[in-house]
Amino acid sequence: DIQMTQSPSSLSASVGDRVTITCRASQDIRNDLGWYQQRPGRAPKGLIYAVSGLQPGVPSRFSGSGSGTEFTLTISSLQPEDFATYYCLQHNNYPYTFGQGTKLEIK
Amino acid sequence: EVQLVESGGGLVQPGRSLRLSCTGSGFIFADYAVSWVRQAPGKGLEWLGFIKSETYGGTTEYAASVRGRFTISRDDSRGIAYLHMNSLKTDDTAVYYCTRTGHWGQGTLVTVSS
Repeated sequence: DIQMTQSPSSLSASVGDRVTITCRASQDIRNDLGWYQQRPGRAPKGLIYAVSGLQPGVPSRFSGSGSGTEFTLTISSLQPEDFATYYCLQHNNYPYTFGQGTKLEIK
Repeated sequence: EVQLVESGGGLVQPGRSLRLSCTGSGFIFADYAVSWVRQAPGKGLEWLGFIKSETYGGTTEYAASVRGRFTISRDDSRGIAYLHMNSLKTDDTAVYYCTRTGHWGQGTLVTVSS
């Protein structure tokens, strides 16, 4: 199975900060990667598909980049509603696998 | 508006079976693969499996943790995907979500306990 390792596991930041979350795959997954946001008590929500494509309705402060085995999710200027847990998901190979999550908290 | 609604969760004893439903609306259900994902209390997301559209053969794939116990099927005429869960264990206690390319349902809670 492909292992997806996210870092950091948790992160404290302030409104207005720029933050970056990294996801590393144990093997080349080309561009078969998405990012998901989960607010407390809520269902996950799709943010980014195919590494850098923004899902409809997702603010442009979210962006994704990377290829192969290393990928990043960047939030350019944190807003209060962005404090949540973020997951990457690879869909290059079965079984699909999520990263363990990055909890973004208010400093 | 795309909507996915899970149903069928509840309290079930270990070893018993349960069937979850995922009802889609606001899109052509038959055109899309549907995945199932779960989240145990306080834990991260776990991909369970999916079913392709009939255009791509309607084939299924599963995570090792549920292969042989869980089965995914679909009824495109009703716009529903199913997750059939057999031989349930206490470790299967989780919120179960269905998803379709960026869209998620609200989840349904399954509690496996005697």
